[in-house]
Amino acid sequence: KAGVTQTPRYLIKTRGQQVTLSCSPISGHRSVSWYQQTPGQGLQFLFEYFSETQRNKGNFPGRFSGRQFSNSRSEMNVSTLELGDSALYLCASREGGTSGTEQFFGPGTRLTVL
Amino acid sequence: AQSVTQPDIHITVSEGASLELRCNYSYGATPYLFWYVQSPGQGLQLLLKYFSGDTLVQGIKGFEAEFKRSQSSFNLRKPSVHWSDAAEYFCAVGAGGFKTIFGAGTRLFVKA
Repeated sequence: KAGVTQTPRYLIKTRGQQVTLSCSPISGHRSVSWYQQTPGQGLQFLFEYFSETQRNKGNFPGRFSGRQFSNSRSEMNVSTLELGDSALYLCASREGGTSGTEQFFGPGTRLTVL
Repeated sequence: AQSVTQPDIHITVSEGASLELRCNYSYGATPYLFWYVQSPGQGLQLLLKYFSGDTLVQGIKGFEAEFKRSQSSFNLRKPSVHWSDAAEYFCAVGAGGFKTIFGAGTRLFVKA
């Protein structure tokens, strides 16, 4: 099976702009989670989608949003970008189930906000 | 509240030496426990996981971890480190429901 793919891999934006990141999960996986990774902060959970419904959300402002399509592909949107949004954004998929299920990660999208 | 602590931000070991990376968690029940590894420019890969049963868990690449309930710990070990093990390691807890909580990570440097 193909792994989790994320596009684009690298992105440069300026403050105030918005950005959309895409994630294609492993075939058959219905759950997609998004994480923000910054040096020293580890992985901060953004949200999780399962069968097109958001079933879990982290403590991020409303500028961060997401959605999931019927084919399980997911997009994450950040509006009104701030310098602090510069990070590696990781997407992870799993078959579903509970937090005991292994997550499979994509390579990430490196977002730089200037 | 559930949390995961990795006390060491970075560790340096000599190639061939043994390794132990520490992980402590806070969770009311028996958690699901994971160790992931992230090589530069890549996503995270699962090394091993603990759900129940034998408290010593074997993983890929020669790693193992031991769950100690009394210490709320899940330390990762490897008897002999290779230069290719240089990476960042994350401990994670499946905290009930659907949420997974990650530690801040420990970066491993390997000296020749």
